[in-house]
Amino acid sequence: KNEVEQSPQNLTAQEGEFITINCSYSVGISALHWLQQHPGGGIVSLFMLSSGKKKHGRLIATINIQEKHSSLHITASHPRDSAVYICAVRSGSARQLTFGSGTQLTVLP
Amino acid sequence: GAGVSQSPSNKVTEKGKDVELRCDPISGHTALYWYRQSLGQGLEFLIYFQGNSAPDKSGLPSDRFSAERTGGSVSTLTIQRTQQEDSAVYLCASSLNLVETQYFGPGTRLLVL
Repeated sequence: KNEVEQSPQNLTAQEGEFITINCSYSVGISALHWLQQHPGGGIVSLFMLSSGKKKHGRLIATINIQEKHSSLHITASHPRDSAVYICAVRSGSARQLTFGSGTQLTVLP
Repeated sequence: GAGVSQSPSNKVTEKGKDVELRCDPISGHTALYWYRQSLGQGLEFLIYFQGNSAPDKSGLPSDRFSAERTGGSVSTLTIQRTQQEDSAVYLCASSLNLVETQYFGPGTRLLVL
């Protein structure tokens, strides 16, 4: 079993829809990251969180430490949100990140 | 300000040749990471550097892989005697320190023929 599991693997939505991507992990963590990878390959860090909730524009990330679960929400989705969204965790005293396999999001106009 | 830069952006090489990939981190970032993303696969940690500490090489897949970071800034990832399975996108990231947000470079696409 992978340490970091994401769902769904693929997601297609219509413009304007509310989107949720889920991430579950099996180890104790010190931080969880949400990353965005565009078709050209560039990776952008969206959020780093260790508790609670963070919001940036139309993006919201939440984490429940007890349940070892995080969600990334996109409100009023737009075709430019189409990308791969990757969850990654830093566990305990480890320094490196362990990555989920990513969620391919396609938002149709 | 300037982000993380990597060179070359693309590299095609023949099996058995050595390659060097370069990463220029954001100025002032003490932590530097190398990752690999093989076709259709997730990101895989390779190595990280933090200041003057010994690097964590635990993610390097074989002894053909090595990396160095000179002067706490630029890093070079070297792959010796390349194999076809080394074909991947090699990504570098830097952060202010080990617990801060990582900023990724554009990656080097390596193709081993």
